[in-house]
Amino acid sequence: QKEVEQNSGPLSVPEGAIASLNCTYSDRGSQSFFWYRQYSGKSPELIMSIYSNGDKEDGRFTAQLNKASQYVSLLIRDSQPSDSATYLCAVNGGRGSGTYKYIFGTGTRLKVLA
Amino acid sequence: DAGVTQSPTHLIKTRGQQVTLRCSPISGHKSVSWYQQVLGQGPQFIFQYYEKEERGRGNFPDRFSARQFPNYSSELNVNALLLGDSALYLCASSKPTGAYEQYFGPGTRLTVT
Repeated sequence: QKEVEQNSGPLSVPEGAIASLNCTYSDRGSQSFFWYRQYSGKSPELIMSIYSNGDKEDGRFTAQLNKASQYVSLLIRDSQPSDSATYLCAVNGGRGSGTYKYIFGTGTRLKVLA
Repeated sequence: DAGVTQSPTHLIKTRGQQVTLRCSPISGHKSVSWYQQVLGQGPQFIFQYYEKEERGRGNFPDRFSARQFPNYSSELNVNALLLGDSALYLCASSKPTGAYEQYFGPGTRLTVT
């Protein structure tokens, strides 16, 4: 089982729709969860961080965390073609493997169709 | 404020050579982490440094080493380069150590031929 799993996609949504990106993780000790956006040929850009169960909203983005199910998601409302990118889920290592390191999923490629 | 800076942007090396990559963190950030990202994969953790001390190392061979300077900038060294070391090397900085938000620099694209 991979430590952080994401569907590689591509996930295609029409412009203006809600894009839903999902991530599961294996280390129950993980405390911090992050979503990064990475455009082709560029470095990852931090979009959201979430530390507690529930929802966290920032503009068109909503992160959702369920520690019992070891599941974190990112919703993008009113998707725009400029949102087309790879979205990386990152989880801190937890006490067992080291809280200092982030473990990344392989990313989900999102395509927003105009 | 300036973001994380890395140099060089691109680098081409031959197998067996050595390379040094450089990173300057965001002003006020004392922690620097290094990641390797190969095409189609997420970044893989290599090292984290805080206050010049190594706080953690990922599953990379001893050919990889790093250090952090008093001004919190950092260098990543890779010896005896292999073709498989070709990747995007990312530096990320954060305020304290631990599981706080990390901000990435633009990366150094290393090609080993």
